[in-house]
Amino acid sequence: DTGVSQNPRHKITKRGQNVTFRCDPISEHNRLYWYRQTLGQGPEFLTYFQNEAQLEKSRLLSDRFSAERPKGSFSTLEIQRTEQGDSAMYLCASSRGLVGTGELFFGEGSRLTVL
Amino acid sequence: AQKVTQAQTEISVVEKEDVTLDCVYETRDTTYYLFWYKQPPSGELVFLIRRNSFDEQNEISGRYSWNFQKSTSSFNFTITASQVVDSAVYFCALSESGFRNAGGTSYGKLTFGQGTILTVHP
Repeated sequence: DTGVSQNPRHKITKRGQNVTFRCDPISEHNRLYWYRQTLGQGPEFLTYFQNEAQLEKSRLLSDRFSAERPKGSFSTLEIQRTEQGDSAMYLCASSRGLVGTGELFFGEGSRLTVL
Repeated sequence: AQKVTQAQTEISVVEKEDVTLDCVYETRDTTYYLFWYKQPPSGELVFLIRRNSFDEQNEISGRYSWNFQKSTSSFNFTITASQVVDSAVYFCALSESGFRNAGGTSYGKLTFGQGTILTVHP
C-alpha cells in the first residue's frame, strides 16, 4: 500500500496557461475523488469517479475544468485558461467501493499558484 | 444544503491539557455520516473516525474521544493529555447518503467545516 500519489506537488503558472495534475490512487481502490482547498478553508468537493465513470461533478467545476480517469486507474485534472482564483491546493482521494467504510485516503495535494 | 460549522478557528493549549474541538452540522438527510480528519503540516488529510446518524454511542480510542449528540446536531472531538504531535488542523465533515452505486453506499462526497487549528505548546 503505497498511498495516494499526486504530481506535481507544486505548480506555478501564469494566468491563461493550462495546467494538468495527476493522481495515482491506492491500487485496489475503485473510487477516486478530487477536492479543492483554499487557504484557511476546508476541502471542497469537485468530482468523483467510480472506476472510469465520472458520476458526479460539483458546480464549482466550471467549463475550464476537466477530469478524466481513462482506464479506471490514475486520474488527471486539467484546468484550462487558468485564473488567479484557481490558486489552491488540489487534493485527490481514493476509497474502496461497495464495502464503503467511509474512509477516504488523501494524497498530499498539488498546490497551484496562478500569477 | 448541508453545512458544517467549526466555530473555533484556533486553539492553543499547553501539553497535557485536555482540549475539545466543536463541530455543529446541518442536514436534511435522515441518514448521514460524520467524520473527523486531521491535517498535519505535511498537508495530507488523515482519517480519524466515522460515525453514522443512527449510532449515537460515543467512542473512546486511546487519547481521543468523540461525543455525538443528534439532538443538538453536534459531533465534538476531545483529545486527552494533548501532545505536541497533536498540533494540526482538524476538520469535521458530513457525508450525504443520497447516492448509491453498484450496491454500495458512497461516503465520498464530504462537506467539510473550515477547520480548527490546534497548537500544543511544550
